[in-house]
Amino acid sequence: EPEVTQTPSHQVTQMGQEVILRCVPISNHLYFYWYRQILGQKVEFLVSFYNNEISEKSEIFDDQFSVERPDGSNFTLKIRSTKLEDSAMYFCASRGGSSGANVLTFGAGSRLTVL
Amino acid sequence: AQSVTQPDIHITVSEGASLELRCNYSYGATPYLFWYVQSPGQGLQLLLKYFSGDTLVQGIKGFEAEFKRSQSSFNLRKPSVHWSDAAEYFCAVGAVNQGGKLIFGQGTELSVKP
Repeated sequence: EPEVTQTPSHQVTQMGQEVILRCVPISNHLYFYWYRQILGQKVEFLVSFYNNEISEKSEIFDDQFSVERPDGSNFTLKIRSTKLEDSAMYFCASRGGSSGANVLTFGAGSRLTVL
Repeated sequence: AQSVTQPDIHITVSEGASLELRCNYSYGATPYLFWYVQSPGQGLQLLLKYFSGDTLVQGIKGFEAEFKRSQSSFNLRKPSVHWSDAAEYFCAVGAVNQGGKLIFGQGTELSVKP
């Protein structure tokens, strides 16, 4: 079964450092997403991406965050200068383009720990 | 405001017992409803979804859920729990015109006693 792959599974970084989280969505999917879950809190929507541009972003997704699809397979989330409160599990997801296909396939997540 | 509430943070059931996980939502538009499961070290796996039609939906692993519009609920059920069902369960809501932007509940952690 096709799956969404995320790397790294766990990253520890110092406050102020840049972090890039990588995702390989399902190959024929057109819509891509990042969600995050701070420990003990809800899974929250960060950003959606379609046709090489951001289609929607949440209030959380400020100027410190950016997303990119550098090639035909990868989808990345960059945090420019990490803060302690960025520590969370980050989930990548993708979905196909057919109508009614509001079904996201999620990756296993990348746990980010900011010290 | 749009929200999803899962009132039970942690539930423990005995293997073979029935299970019901509660989910209530507040959503302005016609909702799409989902249940996802997360096992340790795994991603969020879709158990089932409700878009329209029959309000009782069947999912994978023997789970089902019933959409009750009057109660704004979408409770997840399983008649006989297996030890492998121990995991965290998330209810989520979305809408047609917000494809992919889901609002999640807090999650319910399920433990299964032998």
